[in-house]
Amino acid sequence: AAGVIQSPRHLIKEKRETATLKCYPIPRHDTVYWYQQGPGQDPQFLISFYEKMQSDKGSIPDRFSAQQFSDYHSELNMSSLELGDSALYFCASSAGGWTGELFFGEGSRLTVL
Amino acid sequence: AQTVTQSQPEMSVQEAETVTLSCTYDTSESDYYLFWYKQPPSRQMILVIRQEAYKQQNATENRFSVNFQKAAKSFSLKISDSQLGDAAMYFCAYRSDAGGTSYGKLTFGQGTILTVHP
Repeated sequence: AAGVIQSPRHLIKEKRETATLKCYPIPRHDTVYWYQQGPGQDPQFLISFYEKMQSDKGSIPDRFSAQQFSDYHSELNMSSLELGDSALYFCASSAGGWTGELFFGEGSRLTVL
Repeated sequence: AQTVTQSQPEMSVQEAETVTLSCTYDTSESDYYLFWYKQPPSRQMILVIRQEAYKQQNATENRFSVNFQKAAKSFSLKISDSQLGDAAMYFCAYRSDAGGTSYGKLTFGQGTILTVHP
């Protein structure tokens, strides 16, 4: 069965650079969530989209932005990267809005040097 | 805001034995879901079991079962007949069923590292 696809799986950037992470939800899933998991930390909710509109916002820095496109894939853009942005970034998708079960991707590991 | 607390940073169990992971949560809502997720070294988040708050019966999935105490706001995970493949980080998570601005997001606990000894 198709799963949530995240790319790239690994990314290395320098401080002050920009990074873009992509998430392709399971087909016919209409909701996408982004989470950030620092080393040894629990995942923290960043932002979510339902039917291409932002539905909820968590502890996402102003340097980060995200959107969901017409094909339901989502991109997380991170600018002016800081060392503290080094983390595993998870995307999850669900069907049926906020009532559906979340399915997680394998994550994108961002390392900022 | 909801909070989820896992007070056991690490737990260990012998293969074939039973282990219980603890989780407590705080919420003023009456409708919600609770989950246990497993995160193996591959880092992918895998759903182990879910519990709807309105259901009094404890959820069970093969060797995994929960003890849901709504009044006490407690949600523990019992793993029976532990296997080496059960070794992972386990996260307890809360999800509101009330809609509003908390549409579908999960709030995670701090996680418990489970080690399984052969």
